[in-house]
Amino acid sequence: DIVMTQSPDSLAVSLGERATINCRSSQTVLYNSNNKNYLAWYQQRPGQPPKLLIYWTSTRESGVPDRFSGSGSGTDFTLTISSLQAEDVAVYYCQQYYSSPWTFGQGTKVEI
Amino acid sequence: QVHLVQSGAEVKKPGASVKVSCKASGYTFTTYYIHWVRQAPGQGLEWMGRINPTGGSTTYVQKFQGRVTMTMDTSTSTVYMDLSSLRSEDTAVYYCARDGVSEFFQHWGQGTLVTVSS
Repeated sequence: DIVMTQSPDSLAVSLGERATINCRSSQTVLYNSNNKNYLAWYQQRPGQPPKLLIYWTSTRESGVPDRFSGSGSGTDFTLTISSLQAEDVAVYYCQQYYSSPWTFGQGTKVEI
Repeated sequence: QVHLVQSGAEVKKPGASVKVSCKASGYTFTTYYIHWVRQAPGQGLEWMGRINPTGGSTTYVQKFQGRVTMTMDTSTSTVYMDLSSLRSEDTAVYYCARDGVSEFFQHWGQGTLVTVSS
């Protein structure tokens, strides 16, 4: 199974500042035939189901604000919130869908 | 608009079984896989398996093999997840999720809390 490891486990960011979350996979999630990284990011606010933010490493889901961006390739990925808003307080998860079983990182809690 | 509506919370005794339903609407039911993901209290997300609504084929995580069964009713666009031989460690919120153009989870149900307690 591919192990996904996020860092840090938690971070506190001031309103309007940048938040950066890292995700590392135990093996590549880059599919060479289409040059796509099979990596997604989710946001989970307290008491709610997860919400898809980004897929294919950097494609924002419809309706997701452009302050959220994803980058990386191979085994190392980053989710960046360029200017933290109060509503961004949540736990963020990365997920690989390159190889079954699909696996998630342990989560990163973002606080103000 | 895609909606996944799950059944209500359940309390079960150890050794019992639970069946959670997930009713889909707002899209062609047979077009996308439905997955089940669980989340123990205060913990992360764990993928359990999926069902292909075209034909009903299933894929289960090895950890749950022999205890989980995913079925569907195309007439009502409903998917079911049955988990047997429950133990306290199965206490969790169980989510159904529909995938997108690949196997990321684009739409989620509201979650069903299953509590296993004697």
